[in-house]
Amino acid sequence: DTAVSQTPKYLVTQMGNDKSIKCEQNLGHDTMYWYKQDSKKFLKIMFSYNNKELIINETVPNRFSPKSPDKAHLNLHINSLELGDSAVYFCASSQLDQNTEAFFGQGTRLTVV
Amino acid sequence: AQSVTQLGSHVSVSEGALVLLRCNYSSSVPPYLFWYVQYPNQGLQLLLKYTSAATLVKGINGFEAEFKKSETSFHLTKPSAHMSDAAEYFCAVSEWTSGTYKYIFGTGTRLKVLA
Repeated sequence: DTAVSQTPKYLVTQMGNDKSIKCEQNLGHDTMYWYKQDSKKFLKIMFSYNNKELIINETVPNRFSPKSPDKAHLNLHINSLELGDSAVYFCASSQLDQNTEAFFGQGTRLTVV
Repeated sequence: AQSVTQLGSHVSVSEGALVLLRCNYSSSVPPYLFWYVQYPNQGLQLLLKYTSAATLVKGINGFEAEFKKSETSFHLTKPSAHMSDAAEYFCAVSEWTSGTYKYIFGTGTRLKVLA
């Protein structure tokens, strides 16, 4: 059973399009995240949700809109895609406890052409 | 804000040699530290974590890390490298902010294992 699953794994699209990435976790965690990994492998947090409520928004452009229909799901919708949005996007989840680790999905490689 | 610094973006070792990947943290409070591994085209997998119970932490795949407060370090080691250890390794720290925890990652170290 996959703990954190995200779809699709690969996404190739043209500039200006709108796309969504879906994420689901079956670990019963309270907290979910979106991270962006750039071409240099640098990982930066984008959003964090606790029990469906947005807690962290790390100065991400308004074109990125996360949605959490329930605490097991966190989707990411991106409007008007730009070349600079090309990256690997990771969904993760954790319990609300400092000494617990985050569990990561396999990532979605987004390529904007 | 807390941070972690990984010295050496690329490390090469021979198969069977010692692996040493460096991580230094910056924190005004006792940190909770993690090492993750990322294999090509995969997500991040936890290797080990420091939670103040013991300064020497053993993880999966023969890796271990030692927390040294005096040096603000949490270096990752493995006595004998295997070809399958070739991957990207990330040190991370969890930080309390805005009513939740977020994980702050270092810039990563790519480990290459030479036959």
